Amino acid sequence: DAKTTQPPSMDCAEGRAANLPCNHSTISGNEYVYWYRQIHSQGPQYIIHGLKNNETNEMASLIITEDRKSSTLILPHATLRDTAVYYCIVRPYSGAGSYQLTFGKGTKLSVIP
Amino acid sequence: DAGVIQSPRHEVTEMGQEVTLRCKPISGHDYLFWYRQTMMRGLELLIYFNNNVPIDDSGMPEDRFSAKMPNASFSTLKIQPSEPRDSAVYFCASSLLAGLYNEQFFGPGTRLTVL
Repeated sequence: DAKTTQPPSMDCAEGRAANLPCNHSTISGNEYVYWYRQIHSQGPQYIIHGLKNNETNEMASLIITEDRKSSTLILPHATLRDTAVYYCIVRPYSGAGSYQLTFGKGTKLSVIP
Repeated sequence: DAGVIQSPRHEVTEMGQEVTLRCKPISGHDYLFWYRQTMMRGLELLIYFNNNVPIDDSGMPEDRFSAKMPNASFSTLKIQPSEPRDSAVYFCASSLLAGLYNEQFFGPGTRLTVL
């Protein structure tokens, strides 16, 4: 079973920031938070991951709360091409289970012109 | 790099027929994964290989499903005999053992329809 809870859908105006929340209250100390997205009719795509510090890359920013029980993926300036299903996944960085991605239902983000 | 390559992209077959899905992982990657995606069950991991050896096949639904990886650059997922409930999109993904993010790279998928 997926260890995360996400809202089923969200809308965001084009050009605005999209903030996608994720709850992972049972996360363990050796588990990272990963985000993937799946654009319609394509395979999932890695976005970003983090342990406890905030992370930023060319695609997005990841904010993890101090207790690590929740996180937020931020797309700073959403475009129509960001319309996709976004999956929040927790997995250990090494050892047993580290190579398995367990996908939940994700959040369907619709970017509106 | 061409990324993960899957073939065919679409397959339509009749119940009872054998179906073979193919995957070419990214060169140099140590891990290969097969996933299935349906509306009802979402994305499910079926099996994964490390250095061509199956590590965990607990997600394979039943004996009608089998997967092989004869070499580092090729894997197959076979369904025999196929049933309508096997209709789904099947994804292959690969990753590098020592990859910085253990990131999995997914192929475009094979959409299977069993009539």
